[in-house]
Amino acid sequence: GEDVEQSLFLSVREGDSSVINCTYTDSSSTYLYWYKQEPGAGLQLLTYIFSNMDMKQDQRLTVLLNKKDKHLSLRIADTQTGDSAIYFCAEISDSNYQLIWGAGTKLIIKP
Amino acid sequence: GAVVSQHPSRVICKSGTSVKIECRSLDFQATTMFWYRQFPKQSLMLMATSNEGSKATYEQGVEKDKFLINHASLTLSTLTVTSAHPEDSSFYICSAWWGYGYTFGSGTRLTVV
Repeated sequence: GEDVEQSLFLSVREGDSSVINCTYTDSSSTYLYWYKQEPGAGLQLLTYIFSNMDMKQDQRLTVLLNKKDKHLSLRIADTQTGDSAIYFCAEISDSNYQLIWGAGTKLIIKP
Repeated sequence: GAVVSQHPSRVICKSGTSVKIECRSLDFQATTMFWYRQFPKQSLMLMATSNEGSKATYEQGVEKDKFLINHASLTLSTLTVTSAHPEDSSFYICSAWWGYGYTFGSGTRLTVV
């Protein structure tokens, strides 16, 4: 079945770059997403990428998509304490248009 | 744009009572809304898909008589947790498709005591 996988934790020093990785199985997905969830809050759409793109950059965020390997990554440049959150990777199932979620990666910022 | 407003953000209720959660799309029309449940330190679990003017579609294992969903207009969907029990305590989030992706409400933390 369709599946999205990502590591559960990532620890980086403040000021360094964070790279959160995700693999997915549905090669027909049209959109892939990164969502951010701060403690006790809802989900915020950070960015999305169309399946016909390799890269998308938006200020400190860079999304890379490798369709051959079904690998998606989110790079956060100059990581700040406000970036502490859980980051979810998600794809849309082309069969029923539902979101398929990864388990979320908790980003921990060390001073 | 593409904002979904969810209320209340936090509710504490007594066991056996019912709680209604509202989800409104503020600047777009949402024919379909989705209701998710999130357990602590876990990813989101889709509970049901709410369709304007018709019955909701529930995921396997979700009791439709317990989680009543109403989508009476293009901008409002409600989830009512009936006869709530402590095991219903969770974080509930709604979402809607806005054109290029899904936008989410801020979530409702339900605590049943």
